[in-house]
Amino acid sequence: NAGVTQTPKFQVLKTGQSMTLQCAQDMNHNSMYWYRQDPGMGLRLIYYSASEGTTDKGEVPNGYNVSRLNKREFSLRLESAAPSQTSVYFCASSHDSLNQPQHFGDGTRLSIL
Amino acid sequence: RKEVEQDPGPFNVPEGATVAFNCTYSNSASQSFFWYRQDCRKEPKLLMSVYSSGNEDGRFTAQLNRASQYISLLIRDSKLSDSATYLCVVNPYSSASKIIFGSGTRLSIRP
Repeated sequence: NAGVTQTPKFQVLKTGQSMTLQCAQDMNHNSMYWYRQDPGMGLRLIYYSASEGTTDKGEVPNGYNVSRLNKREFSLRLESAAPSQTSVYFCASSHDSLNQPQHFGDGTRLSIL
Repeated sequence: RKEVEQDPGPFNVPEGATVAFNCTYSNSASQSFFWYRQDCRKEPKLLMSVYSSGNEDGRFTAQLNRASQYISLLIRDSKLSDSATYLCVVNPYSSASKIIFGSGTRLSIRP
């Protein structure tokens, strides 16, 4: 009963490096989300996918790209990491995007040096 | 005014006490509301949905006041394990990109 699984759990990058954060859910949810959480800022939506085949920008999309690979998987890519992207990243999913609660993965702690 | 506001706390109360905190929202068209708890360095976990008529789950009671545009969470007979940050979530029902998480209220229960 995994729910939402994120990999990796921790990562340290140098400025300019690229990487992809992986997220998979086994709850047959239609909608998936990527958030970042910084101290004192709360959760901020980076990108979301309301359904398989669609992706949309959230509040803070700059510097990121996403791919909804299939219904289960939603990845987040940093093409050229910057220190401002040091954060905790959470993936979440929900049955639909409007009226259902979201279920979160346990996060990826990313540090950019 | 922020779209969703919570008192950051911390609320420091003794075990067994009753504690309540509110979350105000600015969009009167908001349709769905939730409370999450987040433990230190962990992911947010759904605590309960908030229904128009109010709802209760054990020691926890959630209420919605549409006229004054706030939701509340009441915790009775608080336990040490209730220590966490409580996040309110407001969905204006127009787009997933509009779902807003409050910054959270820190609650600390002391023995």
